[in-house]
Amino acid sequence: DSGVTQTPKHLITATGQRVTLRCSPRSGDLSVYWYQQSLDQGLQFLIQYYNGEERAKGNILERFSAQQFPDLHSELNLSSLELGDSALYFCASSPGLSNYNEQFFGPGTRLTVL
Amino acid sequence: QQPVQSPQAVILREGEDAVINCSSSKALYSVHWYRQKHGEAPVFLMILLKGGEQKGHEKISASFNEKKQQSSLYLTASQLSYSGTYFCGTVYYSGAGSYQLTFGKGTKLSVIP
Repeated sequence: DSGVTQTPKHLITATGQRVTLRCSPRSGDLSVYWYQQSLDQGLQFLIQYYNGEERAKGNILERFSAQQFPDLHSELNLSSLELGDSALYFCASSPGLSNYNEQFFGPGTRLTVL
Repeated sequence: QQPVQSPQAVILREGEDAVINCSSSKALYSVHWYRQKHGEAPVFLMILLKGGEQKGHEKISASFNEKKQQSSLYLTASQLSYSGTYFCGTVYYSGAGSYQLTFGKGTKLSVIP
């Protein structure tokens, strides 16, 4: 158990819909990262927040957005969903801003878009 | 810029050794290695920093050639528990005081009895 929690574990929805994925980092960790994992693409970095502020952006679509709240939990919002958005979404956390620290991954949310 | 891992997949018998390579076209600050078992979250193995410092797993070793922007993960005397997909993550400076970690596509390692 990494100490990172994600809800829900599974999500099934239809094309065009909007969903919100939630992540609670390990106690004391200020950085939260979101990743998308599809079968043939490995782990794609989406976005990083540090202490409430956006710090780095990866391959995140404009239909996707995220935020980190004062209690440090984070939410990833996916809108106008398409079939290709079906994937495993991981959240990870680390103590600081620097990528010299290991990241602790949550169990993931499996999103299925029908 | 996604790092390139090789091989894409490897099958070993218990007790055999394997090397997984990771290379990047960008100047790197550090390299991370993670292992993911089927249906589970990735788990940290090791970080290699510029200057030779390492942090991580006791039974798995790795190297980091800063000049060539390459890293290799060495799995010796493999055990069944080593099976999984290994990801390297390369860290480069992305500007404005931020560093970005980008993962490769992974190397699937299967250890058979």
